[in-house]
Amino acid sequence: DTAVSQTPKYLVTQMGNDKSIKCEQNLGHDTMYWYKQDSKKFLKIMFSYNNKELIINETVPNRFSPKSPDKAHLNLHINSLELGDSAVYFCASSRDLDRTEAFFGQGTRLTVV
Amino acid sequence: QQPVQSPQAVILREGEDAVINCSSSKALYSVHWYRQKHGEAPVFLMILLKGGEQKGHEKISASFNEKKQQSSLYLTASQLSYSGTYFCGTEFSSGSARQLTFGSGTQLTVLP
Repeated sequence: DTAVSQTPKYLVTQMGNDKSIKCEQNLGHDTMYWYKQDSKKFLKIMFSYNNKELIINETVPNRFSPKSPDKAHLNLHINSLELGDSAVYFCASSRDLDRTEAFFGQGTRLTVV
Repeated sequence: QQPVQSPQAVILREGEDAVINCSSSKALYSVHWYRQKHGEAPVFLMILLKGGEQKGHEKISASFNEKKQQSSLYLTASQLSYSGTYFCGTEFSSGSARQLTFGSGTQLTVLP
């Protein structure tokens, strides 16, 4: 049983396209996150949600729109993809805002060509 | 305010010890440590909350000196399985404002 699962694992798409990455956690956690890891392995938070409510929205282009239909799911939709969006995107969850030990999904490697 | 990790990379022989440091220019609420193997997701190792505690996880332990705003990760008698990139993550406050900011990572290679 995968605790935090993301789909797809790989995504290759052309510039200008719109794509979505889905994330689900079965840990019963209240808090979920999206992180971006660039080619230099720098891991940066993009968004965090607690019980479906947006908590953190870092300086991310508004082409990126997260959606949390329930506390077990946090999806990421990206409009008008650019070359610079190529990276590995990790979904993560933590028990709540006090217990922030993060459990990461396997990552989605996005390549924009 | 990204924490600063050092060294950037370290190569060890099996059985040797290593120390990875993480420092912040801002007062810390907590420090997390994660290990990421190539092509995999980061895996949580431990969290240290302010209070100057030390924690252990098998032969991996860490300390947190909140006065110096520093944490160190100690890997004792390293094994091949310890290879990977180690990230520290820092939080500056509690509650809804908690936000994990990661350092740039330390690449650890353990050779037989």
